Amino acid sequence: DQQVKQNSPSLSVQEGRISILNCDYTNSMFDYFLWYKKYPAEGPTFLISISSIKDKNEDGRFTVFLNKSAKHLSLHIVPSQPGDSAVYFCAASAGTSGTYKYIFGTGTRLKVLA
Amino acid sequence: EAQVTQNPRYLITVTGKKLTVTCSQNMNHEYMSWYRQDPGLGLRQIYYSMNVEVTDKGDVPEGYKVSRKEKRNFPLILESPSPNQTSLYFCASSSGSGGFFEQYFGPGTRLTVT
Repeated sequence: DQQVKQNSPSLSVQEGRISILNCDYTNSMFDYFLWYKKYPAEGPTFLISISSIKDKNEDGRFTVFLNKSAKHLSLHIVPSQPGDSAVYFCAASAGTSGTYKYIFGTGTRLKVLA
Repeated sequence: EAQVTQNPRYLITVTGKKLTVTCSQNMNHEYMSWYRQDPGLGLRQIYYSMNVEVTDKGDVPEGYKVSRKEKRNFPLILESPSPNQTSLYFCASSSGSGGFFEQYFGPGTRLTVT
């Protein structure tokens, strides 16, 4: 059973427009959510995170929104740039439950067209 | 330079031949973890360690062993590799346990078991 789901395997966006990447989860024990970006032939790199006590976190062009009642989070990139083309993974952690596993989604490949 | 290193980067082996993939970090991080990445399945956690001599299973631990004898090293051992362990493996570390702490990933080890 996939506890963290990214239902869109790919997304194409024009440069300068907004990119919205979505992630759904099923486990209400998750208390932290993170987004990682991955370029080919490299390891994932951390992008932005959000605690379950917040509904929004912003860092420059990147904003993560969390809707706990819908068990849904989204990553907004504004404006999108060609260098943002990568695979994006959302991840969840349930540290307050006493376990320190990370559950990742399957990833969304973002292509920003120049 | 702060980094997570993995060796080897590429490995082709045969079924049943024991192998070890090494992982080392120079950031004095407490938490270390191993993941495998497979097409359509995203990143799945194999094992993690919250500190020296403290390890626990992730979501897909079958067929793998780990040890954490020193803080900086976290080797992944495949005692009898099988073709279904052909995958891209990532080691990661963070300064603490739980989603609050971002993980730093190594560059990956591509393993092929024939």
